[in-house]
Amino acid sequence: QKEVEQNSGPLSVPEGAIASLNCTYSDRVSQSFFWYRQYSGKSPELIMSIYSNGDKEDGRFTAQLNKASQYVSLLIRDSQPSDSATYLCAANSNSGYALNFGKGTSLLVTP
Amino acid sequence: GAGVSQSPSNKVTEKGKDVELRCDPISGHTALYWYRQSLGQGLEFLIYFQGNSAPDKSGLPSDRFSAERTGGSVSTLTIQRTQQEDSAVYLCASSLVSGTGSNQPQHFGDGTRLSIL
Repeated sequence: QKEVEQNSGPLSVPEGAIASLNCTYSDRVSQSFFWYRQYSGKSPELIMSIYSNGDKEDGRFTAQLNKASQYVSLLIRDSQPSDSATYLCAANSNSGYALNFGKGTSLLVTP
Repeated sequence: GAGVSQSPSNKVTEKGKDVELRCDPISGHTALYWYRQSLGQGLEFLIYFQGNSAPDKSGLPSDRFSAERTGGSVSTLTIQRTQQEDSAVYLCASSLVSGTGSNQPQHFGDGTRLSIL
């Protein structure tokens, strides 16, 4: 079983809609979770970090964490074409510091 | 402020050659990580440095891979006798030291795209 799993997509949403990206993880000891955005040919860019159950909002982005279900999500409100990218979910590994990454979900926001 | 700097941005070399990749972390970040991203694959952890502690080399795929970090700052990743399966983007990240129970976010450089002919 992959340690961090994401639907590869592509997820297509119209401009202005809410994009919902989901991620599950297998290691119950994981305590830190991150969402990165990666444009084609570019390096991952940190969008959100979340450590506690519940929601965390930052501008148009909301991260949600449910440790009981081992589930992390990212909501993007008022999606823009510039949000089109691959979104990577990451959780800290049992080493404590290295991150386990999912393969990413490709998001396409259509005008 | 300056982000994580990696060089070269692209490297093409022949199978069997040695390559050296460089990473200069964000100033003040004591933790440094190397990852590899192969086509269609997720990021794969390679090695971790924290201050003067012994590095965690558990992710290095073979003994052809090695890394060092001099003076607690710049790091070099060396791949000896390169093979075609080494072709990937090698990403370096740095962070502040993580505390107990939570990890500081890792910030990535632009990566080195390595192609082995």
